[in-house]
Amino acid sequence: KQEVTQIPAALSVPEGENLVLNCSFTDSAIYNLQWFRQDPGKGLTSLLLIQSSQREQTSGRLNASLDKSSGRSTLYIAASQPGDSATYLCAVRLNDYKLSFGAGTTVTVRA
Amino acid sequence: ETGVTQSPTHLIKTRGQQVTLRCSSQSGHNTVSWYQQALGQGPQFIFQYYREEENGRGNFPPRFSGLQFPNYSSELNVNALELDDSALYLCASSRDSNQPQHFGDGTRLSIL
Repeated sequence: KQEVTQIPAALSVPEGENLVLNCSFTDSAIYNLQWFRQDPGKGLTSLLLIQSSQREQTSGRLNASLDKSSGRSTLYIAASQPGDSATYLCAVRLNDYKLSFGAGTTVTVRA
Repeated sequence: ETGVTQSPTHLIKTRGQQVTLRCSSQSGHNTVSWYQQALGQGPQFIFQYYREEENGRGNFPPRFSGLQFPNYSSELNVNALELDDSALYLCASSRDSNQPQHFGDGTRLSIL
C-alpha cells in the first residue's frame, strides 16, 4: 500500500521568503506525481505534474523535483506572496488508476 | 476554471438516508474519479469510471456506488448514511488515466 507523507504539516513565512515543501512516498514504482493547491472549502487546483521519467518540472515561480529512488519530491515556491497562502497536497499515481494523497502542508505567507 | 462542476455545493442529511452527488466533466474527458476528503486529511480514492464502466475502486463499502453517463456527467450515490460519511466529496476528470486530473470544487456533505 502506497503511503504518502508531507512534512511539515504547517508553515508560516514572511512575504518574499522561498518556500520548500516536502513529500515522501513508500513505493517508488510510481507512474507520476502531481502537486495540487487547495484553498479553504475549495477543490484542488493542479500545479505541476511530473512523470516518472522526469526529474523536475517548472511553472513560473514553482519548481518541483522528483527523486524516485529515494521516494521524495520537493515543491519550491520562489519569492512567496500572501496569495500563496493555501494547503499544498502531493499525490502519487502507481501503475493503476488512483491517486494516493498526502495530508497536505498548510502555508501562511505573512504580509 | 477547471471545467468540472459539482452539485450541490452543500448538503445536510441524517443518518440512514441516501444521497446523490453530481459531477459534470469537460467534453472529451472519458475518465472520472471520486474522492472523499475528511477535514484535515488528504482525499481518499473512492472509485473511477472510464467510458461508463467502473475500472477501479478504493477501500469503500458497496453502499458507495456510482454512474457515468455518455454526456460526461456522473453521479456518486451513498446509501445508509453514517456520521463518518461527513466530508468533502470531490470529482476529478481527465481525458485518460495518463493525463492530469482536474478537480471540481466539491460537495460538502454533513450528516446529523
